[in-house]
Amino acid sequence: EVVMTQSPATLSVSPGERAILSCRASQSVSSKLAWYQQKPGQAPRLLIYGASTRATGIPARFSGSGSGTEFTLTISSLQSEDFAVYYCQQYDNWPPWTFGQGTKVEIK
Amino acid sequence: QVQLVESGGGVVQPGRSLRLSCAASGFTFSSFGMYWVRQTPGKGLEWVAVIWYDGTNKYYADSVNGRFTISRDNSKNTLYLQMNSLRVEDTAVYYCARDGGPTAIFEYWGQGTLVTVSS
Repeated sequence: EVVMTQSPATLSVSPGERAILSCRASQSVSSKLAWYQQKPGQAPRLLIYGASTRATGIPARFSGSGSGTEFTLTISSLQSEDFAVYYCQQYDNWPPWTFGQGTKVEIK
Repeated sequence: QVQLVESGGGVVQPGRSLRLSCAASGFTFSSFGMYWVRQTPGKGLEWVAVIWYDGTNKYYADSVNGRFTISRDNSKNTLYLQMNSLRVEDTAVYYCARDGGPTAIFEYWGQGTLVTVSS
């Protein structure tokens, strides 16, 4: 099973600033890495797949990078609606599909 | 637009059974693989089961294998999860999700249904 590890657990950022979230896989997952955003009381929403491809309707301020075992999600200028929990997930070695434990982006 | 609506959650005693349903609309249900994913405060997001678009292949997480059964009725655009021998640790919000076609991602999610296993 591929173990996904996210850091930091919590990121405190001021509106308008940039946020950088990290995700590490215990073995190579190539570029088969997705990012999801989850707000309180809501289901997760797909943001990024293929490590760097934005899903339909996702603003350009969200960008993903990386391959192999190291990945990054960057939010270039945080808007109020971006404060949420973000999960990475690998879909290279399945089953099982595995998620990171999440990074909470909170208002500083 | 794609809509996934789960139902069937509730409070159940350990050892009992429950069946979840997920009604799909806004896309050709019979063309997409479907998943169940659950979320607990302590363990985050956990993939539970997957079923191929035509029902020919199914896979389960080790934690539910032998107790849960995923199925689908393409004539009714509905996905199911039969949960038997429920345990306290199965308590979670259960989401159904649609795959991304050629990519095994969770492209669309339902709003979730809460299952609480408690005596």
